[in-house]
Amino acid sequence: EAGVAQSPRYKIIEKRQSVAFWCNPISGHATLYWYQQILGQGPKLLIQFQNNGVVDDSQLPKDRFSAERLKGVDSTLKIQPAKLEDSAVYLCASSGTLDQPQHFGDGTRLSIL
Amino acid sequence: GESVGLHLPTLSVQEGDNSIINCAYSNSASDYFIWYKQESGKGPQFIIDIRSNMDKRQGQRVTVLLNKTVKHLSLQIAATQPGDSAVYFCAERPSNDYKLSFGAGTTVTVRA
Repeated sequence: EAGVAQSPRYKIIEKRQSVAFWCNPISGHATLYWYQQILGQGPKLLIQFQNNGVVDDSQLPKDRFSAERLKGVDSTLKIQPAKLEDSAVYLCASSGTLDQPQHFGDGTRLSIL
Repeated sequence: GESVGLHLPTLSVQEGDNSIINCAYSNSASDYFIWYKQESGKGPQFIIDIRSNMDKRQGQRVTVLLNKTVKHLSLQIAATQPGDSAVYFCAERPSNDYKLSFGAGTTVTVRA
């Protein structure tokens, strides 16, 4: 089966600019997650969707980050405006249900200048 | 908050030897644990998981051991190969939540 697809693979922007990431989960997976992984650290959950509803967004910096999954399949994560500390890899993961293992995409590496 | 951590940030292993990667967790409410392997430039890859009603689970060349008494989790890799070189993360999930918490990872380097 095809894995989790993410694009772009790399993005370089200046601080205060905006950026968007796209994720296509494994077909049929109801649950979708966005993680932030800072260099040298483990992934940190930003937001979790079940179908098109938000399950948990307690760790999403909502003043600058937003995410949506309008039709319960693809998802986008946006940062506006970006700060230097947002430099990280943004990973998308999906699972069949909340109780099943999460499978990750290869992420988008974001660099803020 | 409570977190998951790994005992050692790095591990060097001779090719063909067995590897043991350790992880300590502090949340006694955790009932699900999972190991991921992350190669450079790629996303975490699922290796094996275990629920708290088990103390051992085996996969292909890998075994996960769970000791709930001392809140310790380990991943054993048999006959380590060069392709096993990666960062290994353990993650835990409390019984009342679906949120995974990851540790900082152990970098495994396989020596030829």
